[in-house]
Amino acid sequence: RKEVEQDPGPFNVPEGATVAFNCTYSNSASQSFFWYRQDCRKEPKLLMSVYSSGNEDGRFTAQLNRASQYISLLIRDSKLSDSATYLCVVNRGQTGANNLFFGTGTRLTVIP
Amino acid sequence: DTGVSQDPRHKITKRGQNVTFRCDPISEHNRLYWYRQTLGQGPEFLTYFQNEAQLEKSRLLSDRFSAERPKGSFSTLEIQRTEQGDSAMYLCASSRGSSGNTIYFGEGSWLTVV
Repeated sequence: RKEVEQDPGPFNVPEGATVAFNCTYSNSASQSFFWYRQDCRKEPKLLMSVYSSGNEDGRFTAQLNRASQYISLLIRDSKLSDSATYLCVVNRGQTGANNLFFGTGTRLTVIP
Repeated sequence: DTGVSQDPRHKITKRGQNVTFRCDPISEHNRLYWYRQTLGQGPEFLTYFQNEAQLEKSRLLSDRFSAERPKGSFSTLEIQRTEQGDSAMYLCASSRGSSGNTIYFGEGSWLTVV
């Protein structure tokens, strides 16, 4: 089983729509969680960290369910500029660095 | 620009040739990482440095791959005797010391082996 699993999409939504991405992780010892955004042929960039209590940044809301080992990202009022691939990232938090695991990404296209 | 920088951005090479990529991390970051990403996949960990010490290497890093960070600043990733399967984007990233800190990626070096 993969460390991090995401629905690869693609998700094609009209402008203004609300879209949700889900991600599950296999290691219950995982300690920190992130969503990264990656534009076509560009590097991943941190979108937001995900906290146990859930957190919001403008139109973006991230939630974590440790019991179900599930992370979500909600985008409200989608903009054309939101079109990108969204990567779910899980950090086991152990010492060392081979503890960051990336999902394959979920591709979003926002249609005018 | 004080972000992570990588060079070259694109490299096309013939199978069997050697290639070297360079990464300059964010200056105050002591951790430096190399990842590989192929189309439709997320980045996969290759190796990691804490200052000049290479502390971890993935099983993905075959003996044709070598990475160095001689003075704890910039790093190089060399691929010897390239194969077509090496074609990918090689991402460098850096972060501050402790686990859990956000890592910041460079723009990547695209390798095409023909």
